Amino acid sequence: EAQVTQNPRYLITVTGKKLTVTCSQNMNHEYMSWYRQDPGLGLRQIYYSMNVEVTDKGDVPEGYKVSRKEKRNFPLILESPSPNQTSLYFCASSLLERGRPYNEQFFGPGTRLTVL
Amino acid sequence: AQSVTQLDSHVSVSEGTPVLLRCNYSSSYSPSLFWYVQHPNKGLQLLLKYTSAATLVKGINGFEAEFKKSETSFHLTKPSAHMSDAAEYFCARGTSYGKLTFGQGTILTVHP
Repeated sequence: EAQVTQNPRYLITVTGKKLTVTCSQNMNHEYMSWYRQDPGLGLRQIYYSMNVEVTDKGDVPEGYKVSRKEKRNFPLILESPSPNQTSLYFCASSLLERGRPYNEQFFGPGTRLTVL
Repeated sequence: AQSVTQLDSHVSVSEGTPVLLRCNYSSSYSPSLFWYVQHPNKGLQLLLKYTSAATLVKGINGFEAEFKKSETSFHLTKPSAHMSDAAEYFCARGTSYGKLTFGQGTILTVHP
């Protein structure tokens, strides 16, 4: 089954304790992206990647890191989480079409993060 | 900056009555526009997309949306609401480098 998976689905942590949220897709998509969802704000892009070893900032990258060492995986790293990073996080992926992301993106189930 | 505005944060309808969820976008020469649905504790599912072909776009589960360039709108409609339609709906536009810019979301409540 074609899908985007995220782990963990739920996480409660404390300020300053480094954490990683994993994202994996089995559709051989070149493009991957992370979004955070907050009430009344919709989804906002954190980082995106056009291919292996190619990443770039989205709208709200502060406090986050990403890496793309393999095509299927795109982990989101919070080096020193803070309470304002409490949110619902989504990973998404899509194909590239003529070198540009095909905007129909496939989303993972989400990771609900609480930072105390 | 390109933006998307969903005009209603909550919409409440009775089962069997029409649904209208409103979305406006900032002007662009050729927007790609999408509607996604999010059921509780689920990820986002694509309902339909507009990519400069027909202005009336049909999606899954009986939903459709009409692209109106003169009004910069892309409203989502359904003739008859079902209880299973209760969810949060997001309008989004795409950019050339793949980012989706989302509206704030509209929560649809369907009453029996």
